[in-house]
Amino acid sequence: KAGVTQTPRYLIKTRGQQVTLSCSPISGHRSVSWYQQTPGQGLQFLFEYFSETQRNKGNFPGRFSGRQFSNSRSEMNVSTLELGDSALYLCASSAGQGADGYTFGSGTRLTVV
Amino acid sequence: DAKTTQPTSMDCAEGRAANLPCNHSTISGNEYVYWYRQIHSQGPQYIIHGLKNNETNEMASLIITEDRKSSTLILPHATLRDTAVYYCSHSGGSNYKLTFGKGTLLTVNP
Repeated sequence: KAGVTQTPRYLIKTRGQQVTLSCSPISGHRSVSWYQQTPGQGLQFLFEYFSETQRNKGNFPGRFSGRQFSNSRSEMNVSTLELGDSALYLCASSAGQGADGYTFGSGTRLTVV
Repeated sequence: DAKTTQPTSMDCAEGRAANLPCNHSTISGNEYVYWYRQIHSQGPQYIIHGLKNNETNEMASLIITEDRKSSTLILPHATLRDTAVYYCSHSGGSNYKLTFGKGTLLTVNP
């Protein structure tokens, strides 16, 4: 079966702009979570959605937001980009019942200049 | 937040078993232990997870201590392609997230 698909793979944006990243989970998976990975902070949890509802949120400013659609696809948005937002953004999908494993996508590499 | 502690790095000879330890003393009773690995900034790859019994799959074995505060990932016959950063984490119940530490860089040497 197809894995987790993230688009785009690479993105370059200018400070102050906004960006939207997309994630399509594995078919049948209803949970999508987002992570930010930087060399300094490592892998950090952003938020998790299940059936269009946010169930958990990490410690990120309000500039970071997300949503999930009825087909379980998810988007995350970062507004007013800062240089420090440059990172690999990873999406993971799961059947969503806690004990299930999480499958990660290949990520979107965002560079803010 | 969940806290995990792993060695920063480990070496292993090709063909030998690699044993990667992890301390997860804050794990709750209904949380599972998860192991992932990451190669060259690709997305983390799922390896194995377990609750309290030892688990084995085609990639690895997972040994969880009786008090569940630590675990060991075993790669029975390491190959050069197993060189990666290995992360342990725990999640479950109403905790719908994985919290990652710095991970262990495993280097498999020829």
